[in-house]
Amino acid sequence: EIVLTQSPGTLSLSPGERATLSCRASQIVDSSDLAWYQQNPGQAPRLLVYGASTRATGTPDRFSGGGSGTDFTLTITRLEPEDFAVYYCQHYGSSLFIFGPGTKLDIK
Amino acid sequence: QLQLQESGPGLVKPSETLSLTCSVSSGSIAISSYFWGWIRQSPGKGLEWIGNIYYTGSTYYNPSLENRVTISVDTSKNQFSLKLNSVTAADTAVYFCARESGLYTTGSPHFDYWGRGTLVTVSS
Repeated sequence: EIVLTQSPGTLSLSPGERATLSCRASQIVDSSDLAWYQQNPGQAPRLLVYGASTRATGTPDRFSGGGSGTDFTLTITRLEPEDFAVYYCQHYGSSLFIFGPGTKLDIK
Repeated sequence: QLQLQESGPGLVKPSETLSLTCSVSSGSIAISSYFWGWIRQSPGKGLEWIGNIYYTGSTYYNPSLENRVTISVDTSKNQFSLKLNSVTAADTAVYFCARESGLYTTGSPHFDYWGRGTLVTVSS
């Protein structure tokens, strides 16, 4: 079974800065099976990116996903106040969905 | 805009069965290409996928919960449901229903519409 590891656990940055979040899979995965979500406190997760790099409808273009093999990243080029949240990566394979443990992005 | 809404008891006793329903509005559940799923989140923890169902009734479950889970669909009511039996305190969580997209379309499975979630507490 594939395990997803996200780093860092917490990332403290200021509005306007660039954020790079990492998601590492325990074995090589197909990029098409990797997605990213944003979750604010008390809310449901919101899909940001699927297929590793395709922005979901409504996702601002300051969000970009990339990577391949075992290493994937979500980059936010210029942080807005509403971007401070928890981010999860998700993998699908062998009829199983797995989520990473999350990265909390908080205001420095 | 598709909307999903979870409903069911917020308190379940240990060893009993947790039952939740997800009502889908502004769209039909009986559309090809989409699965419908349940995901849970224990307090302060991450996300755990429980299982998915197609409108035909075809299901697939997380192996870690498969022996306790049943997901069913009622297309006449545009709803799908979750039953989790023999619950313990470890099953206390916010339960989300969601639409799974991509498996039969883009080939990139993901959850694109989510309900707001409902907290279920297991306690005597």
